[in-house]
Amino acid sequence: QVHLQESGPGLVKPSGTLSLTCAVSGGSISSTNWWSWVRQSPGKGLEWIGEIYHSGSTSYNPSLKSRVTLSVDKSKNQLSLKLSSVTAADTAVYYCARDESSGYYSYFDYWGQGILVTVSS
Amino acid sequence: EIVLTQSPGTLSLSPGQSATLSCRASQSISSSYLAWYQQNPGQAPRLLIYGAFRRATGIPDRFSGSGSGTDFTLTISRLEPEDFVVYYCQQYHTSPWTFGQGTKVEIK
Repeated sequence: QVHLQESGPGLVKPSGTLSLTCAVSGGSISSTNWWSWVRQSPGKGLEWIGEIYHSGSTSYNPSLKSRVTLSVDKSKNQLSLKLSSVTAADTAVYYCARDESSGYYSYFDYWGQGILVTVSS
Repeated sequence: EIVLTQSPGTLSLSPGQSATLSCRASQSISSSYLAWYQQNPGQAPRLLIYGAFRRATGIPDRFSGSGSGTDFTLTISRLEPEDFVVYYCQQYHTSPWTFGQGTKVEIK
């Protein structure tokens, strides 16, 4: 059973950088899966931020691409998300999730519990 | 990007009844790449259906999916108390992957 756990500051100042990590257990981050970040705010519902493969290849949502950086640390079996120049609109619950897209179907099969990040001074 | 529009926004039903939730895509998508998720308050989404109609592991058979092209449906038969939560559709056909805005199933 794959388990994902997000961690990081729950409060970030406007114009600052949001930094989160996602620890993966019960499976290897170097598997054939991509790994995604998804956020959920009352105003915009569920929004896919981007995804990363263990090789470091990435794909980002164009709406956030200029501000997002995803990375992996294979030695720690964890993912990282950095979102720069944050505003109140970036206040949301942030989830990491595993993409299952190795076969004929694609979907998010495992999700972390989520972490609420508030942008406020 | 592909916009997914779910309807209705809220569905008011009684336990034991059936629920029909709609998800309409702004362009045709392969049914292989349409999924449904259930979200309980304060929890992460949980995969219910993938490939438009394939139930995920451990999902009861009262949940069923159907549809193709631009119109997809999630049907919940014999609603149980724990089914009164929010449901989302999601497409993995064209990046950026997108979600519908959700349908809340509430107790009437």
